[in-house]
Amino acid sequence: GQQVQQSPASLVLQEGENAELQCNFSSTATRLQWFYQRPGGSLVSLLYNPSGTKHTGRLTSTTVTKERRSSLHISSSQTTDSGTYFCARNMGYKLTFGTGTSLLVDP
Amino acid sequence: GALVYQYPRRTICKSGTSMRMECQAVGFQATSVAWYRQSPQKTFELIALSTVNSAIKYEQNFTQEKFPISHPNLSFSSMTVLNAYLEDRGLYLCGAKTGGAEVFFGKGTRLTVV
Repeated sequence: GQQVQQSPASLVLQEGENAELQCNFSSTATRLQWFYQRPGGSLVSLLYNPSGTKHTGRLTSTTVTKERRSSLHISSSQTTDSGTYFCARNMGYKLTFGTGTSLLVDP
Repeated sequence: GALVYQYPRRTICKSGTSMRMECQAVGFQATSVAWYRQSPQKTFELIALSTVNSAIKYEQNFTQEKFPISHPNLSFSSMTVLNAYLEDRGLYLCGAKTGGAEVFFGKGTRLTVV
């Protein structure tokens, strides 16, 4: 079955609202990495967060390994945040990606 | 910082022909390079993992005969898509890592097959 599941599949926000993206994975032996894919394709690493809480800019990720879940919180969303967000299970030698959350931030 | 460059960014090839894409690590030593494909409307699939001084490991459904990979040094890798057909179209990403676990990606090569 799917080793990495993401929710919601898509999300539409007004600019300024906060977004909460969820990632559930099948194994406690998981190092989690969040990525952003711009419209047009390129993939950007946002946060590498195997456990605990990490921040960068308006992004906060919390990973609770024993509960096999991670979240990505985007505060004060901007139109430029629109795109697809992927979480990936990082096995060191291999990444297994979730199916992504498509985010659209309207002005 | 760690950067990964891929080229070409976009390419179009005729059905049945082959195309080569390249991946360059800048600012770090890419001890491992993984090639992924994102087919239209799908997530990313691992094609193969290449680690310097080790055999290249291909995932199920991908073969060396179809996707030969070269990883001659710690800064460069290339992959060829042989006999490309419609189902091979998509975004091909190169992900590189050094001793740590974090993976850095290039911007990808988008392959269109006509």
